[in-house]
Amino acid sequence: DGGITQSPKYLFRKEGQNVTLSCEQNLNHDAMYWYRQDPGQGLRLIYYSQIVNDFQKGDIAEGYSVSREKKESFPLTVTSAQKNPTAFYLCASSIDGRRGEKLFFGSGTQLSVL
Amino acid sequence: EDQVTQSPEALRLQEGESSSLNCSYTVSGLRGLFWYRQDPGKGPEFLFTLYSAGEEKEKERLKATLTKKESFLHITAPKPEDSATYLCAVIGNGGFKTIFGAGTRLFVKA
Repeated sequence: DGGITQSPKYLFRKEGQNVTLSCEQNLNHDAMYWYRQDPGQGLRLIYYSQIVNDFQKGDIAEGYSVSREKKESFPLTVTSAQKNPTAFYLCASSIDGRRGEKLFFGSGTQLSVL
Repeated sequence: EDQVTQSPEALRLQEGESSSLNCSYTVSGLRGLFWYRQDPGKGPEFLFTLYSAGEEKEKERLKATLTKKESFLHITAPKPEDSATYLCAVIGNGGFKTIFGAGTRLFVKA
C-alpha cells in the first residue's frame, strides 16, 4: 500500500542533543512537508520541499534542519538550538505542491525532552 | 495574513444528536478549503476539498458546505466512532502553503 512512513513513533531528546526524525513516502509525490502540532494549536509549517535537493523554510524553521537527497525521503533534524522541542511532528506529502491539492500525512512522531 | 478559526474548541454530543462545526477563514484568494479528521496519536486523514462558495460535499454522516467567509461540517446522527478532532485548512492564491485551524474536538457518547 502506498503511504508515508514516519519513524520512530516516540523519541526522547537529552539537553544539547540533536535528533533526526525519519519520513519516507512511496506515493511518488514531488512535494513533502514537516509540520509541528502542539496541544490547542493548529499545525505549523517547519520546512517544505517541492523538488529533490531544494527546500524552503516555513513559519517556524529556527532550530530545525532538513535534507531532500531523494524524492522518497525528507528527514527532519531537531537541533539543540530548538529550546522547546516537545511536540507531535507530522510529515506530509502532496502531488506537486503547486495546485493547492490535499495533503497525505504520516502517523507522526512524538518528541519529548528528558 | 491568511487565517483559519474553528469553533467550538470542543463539542460533546449524544449519539444521534446532529450538529455543525464552524470554520471561519481569511485568505487572499481561496484556492481550496480542506477538512481533515485526526484520531488521537495519529496523522490527519483527508475528508473533503471545497473550491468555491456554494459547493457542498457529502460522505456518510458528514456534509461540508462553503461560503465566501466560512465553512460548516454538518454531522447527522453521529455515532461514537465519529469522535475525533476535525481540522479545517485553506490554501490561498498567494502560495501553496496550507494554513490550519486549531481544530474542533468532537466527543460522541453512546
